[in-house]
Amino acid sequence: DQQVKQNSPSLSVQEGRISILNCDYTNSMFDYFLWYKKYPAEGPTFLISISSIKDKNEDGRFTVFLNKSAKHLSLHIVPSQPGDSAVYFCAAKDNYGQNFVFGPGTRLSVLP
Amino acid sequence: EAQVTQNPRYLITVTGKKLTVTCSQNMNHEYMSWYRQDPGLGLRQIYYSMNVEVTDKGDVPEGYKVSRKEKRNFPLILESPSPNQTSLYFCASAPRGEAETQYFGPGTRLLVL
Repeated sequence: DQQVKQNSPSLSVQEGRISILNCDYTNSMFDYFLWYKKYPAEGPTFLISISSIKDKNEDGRFTVFLNKSAKHLSLHIVPSQPGDSAVYFCAAKDNYGQNFVFGPGTRLSVLP
Repeated sequence: EAQVTQNPRYLITVTGKKLTVTCSQNMNHEYMSWYRQDPGLGLRQIYYSMNVEVTDKGDVPEGYKVSRKEKRNFPLILESPSPNQTSLYFCASAPRGEAETQYFGPGTRLLVL
């Protein structure tokens, strides 16, 4: 059973609007959450992270929100740009090791 | 240029023929890791290494071996590949204490017939 879920395989957004990518997790031992971005034919690149002691982390156009009680996090991209079109992976790890668990990814398409 | 390199980038092989995928990083990173990416499953961690001679299993280690004899290299070994190991493989590295910011290689696409 997947411990990290991204229930939307794809998302299309108009340029300039907000993109919201969602992620749910089941393991309450997870205490660190990350988002990675992946372009075709390239490896993923780290985008933004959040510790379980926070509920929000912001970096430029990217903001991650964490709702621990709901075991849910989301990535907001504002404003969306065509260069943001990629696959976004949500990932999590617990405090004890360096084992990362990834979700299946959401393909974001930002339309000009 | 700081980078993680993987070789080969593409490989077609047959069941049972031992193979090694090499991974090398030039950033003096302590942490290195191997993942496989499959449709609908995202990335799954195979093995990781916190430093030389220190390796740990990830979520899907069966059928794979690794070694970390040098800091810069972390080869992935498939002793007897099977068709279910057909996948896209990524190596990653990160500085000590910053595993979450891991830098990924370009990937190796493996087809086992």
